[in-house]
Amino acid sequence: QVQLVQSGAEVKKAGASVKVSCKASGYTFTGYYIHWVRQAPGQGLEWMGRINPKSGGTDFAQKFHDRVTMTRDTSISTAYMELSSLTSDDTAVYYCGRFLEYYFDYWGQGTLVTVSS
Amino acid sequence: QLVLTQSPSASASLGASVKLTCTLSRGHSTYAIAWHQQQPEKGPRYLMKLNSDGSHSKGDGIPDRFSGSSSGAERYLSISSLQSEDEADYYCQTWGTGILVFGGGTKLTVL
Repeated sequence: QVQLVQSGAEVKKAGASVKVSCKASGYTFTGYYIHWVRQAPGQGLEWMGRINPKSGGTDFAQKFHDRVTMTRDTSISTAYMELSSLTSDDTAVYYCGRFLEYYFDYWGQGTLVTVSS
Repeated sequence: QLVLTQSPSASASLGASVKLTCTLSRGHSTYAIAWHQQQPEKGPRYLMKLNSDGSHSKGDGIPDRFSGSSSGAERYLSISSLQSEDEADYYCQTWGTGILVFGGGTKLTVL
């Protein structure tokens, strides 16, 4: 069955960077885009960007384009999202999701990133 | 600009039915969307994709109590025989030209 398993919770200082992983299983990793979404406490879902695991090509939301990097390692079917220059506003749960046509059909379990000053 | 609009909250009694609405912005009334459920303290779960003609396809294990329909720019999620575990946030979502959009979410309370 399709599974996306994310790395564990992180606590970071303001100004630091965080890298979250998303390991895929149960399907051909290079066949589907992986998107990243975050959810601040008590807020809705916010799209950050996507990566094409086959080519490595990326697209980012304007809000994050200068601070986010998305990469992948096809040998271990894992996608990564790295966010730099963290502030307290980046405290959120970060989700990866498999994308099919125009929608997410599977989600990771989420990774809580806490940024402290 | 592609925008999805949802009412912030809805409520219905245990065992009753409810219909949640997601409205597409002007010029985007033919877009398909997806519905996702987020139970308290959990991650999102894909419920279904929903086309402009009302045809829909549900995710793995989604009960028959959940269904979708469409009218013009409106996309609906209907839940019948409400159960306590249906109390959750429901988000609609779609993809435009290079941008992914979520509605603001509807918090459903089961009374």
